[in-house]
Amino acid sequence: ETGVTQSPTHLIKTRGQQVTLRCSSQSGHNTVSWYQQALGQGPQFIFQYYREEENGRGNFPPRFSGLQFPNYSSELNVNALELDDSALYLCASSLGLGTGGTEAFFGQGTRLTVV
Amino acid sequence: GDSVTQMEGPVTLSEEAFLTINCTYTATGYPSLFWYVQYPGEGLQLLLKATKADDKGSNKGFEATYRKETTSFHLEKGSVQVSDSAVYFCALSGSGGSYIPTFGRGTSLIVHP
Repeated sequence: ETGVTQSPTHLIKTRGQQVTLRCSSQSGHNTVSWYQQALGQGPQFIFQYYREEENGRGNFPPRFSGLQFPNYSSELNVNALELDDSALYLCASSLGLGTGGTEAFFGQGTRLTVV
Repeated sequence: GDSVTQMEGPVTLSEEAFLTINCTYTATGYPSLFWYVQYPGEGLQLLLKATKADDKGSNKGFEATYRKETTSFHLEKGSVQVSDSAVYFCALSGSGGSYIPTFGRGTSLIVHP
């Protein structure tokens, strides 16, 4: 059983650029969620994809967008990068939407630095 | 909206000491409650969970009881080890029919030999 893998592990971008982060979900999982974790803070929910459809979104602007593929892997795209976008981006996969008690399995994250 | 409040860290303990990390929440309805642990350089791992009032979650010697009357889910361990040093996050989801999870800010635990 493979775990959740994210790529790249580290990334440095310039303000105004665009970035794509990738996530391979755990085998058999059809739900992927993305989080932003600023230094010293808890993860903030960005959005969730279930069977290739967006299924919930946190308080993030439209320049944060995503995609889920038929194999349930996912991408997070951020346009017009700002300095405050510097953070650890976490992907988590789970099976179905559950009842709120479903366990999510997290990847190691992508550390994005915007300069 | 929903919120989770954790005690400020870092919490610094000697090995074999008793650990309590406080967590209280504000939510609509009856959410599920979780504790996640994040070791340095890694993603979050689910430590334990409880899905209804008075449930006790436990794992690896850690325990937490879902207390609806005090809206709390405090994490405890009777005897900590150096390997328990990590950041601990309290979280909730399933509040008011929404599955969007809410995390606390995290509490850093440092255990000295």
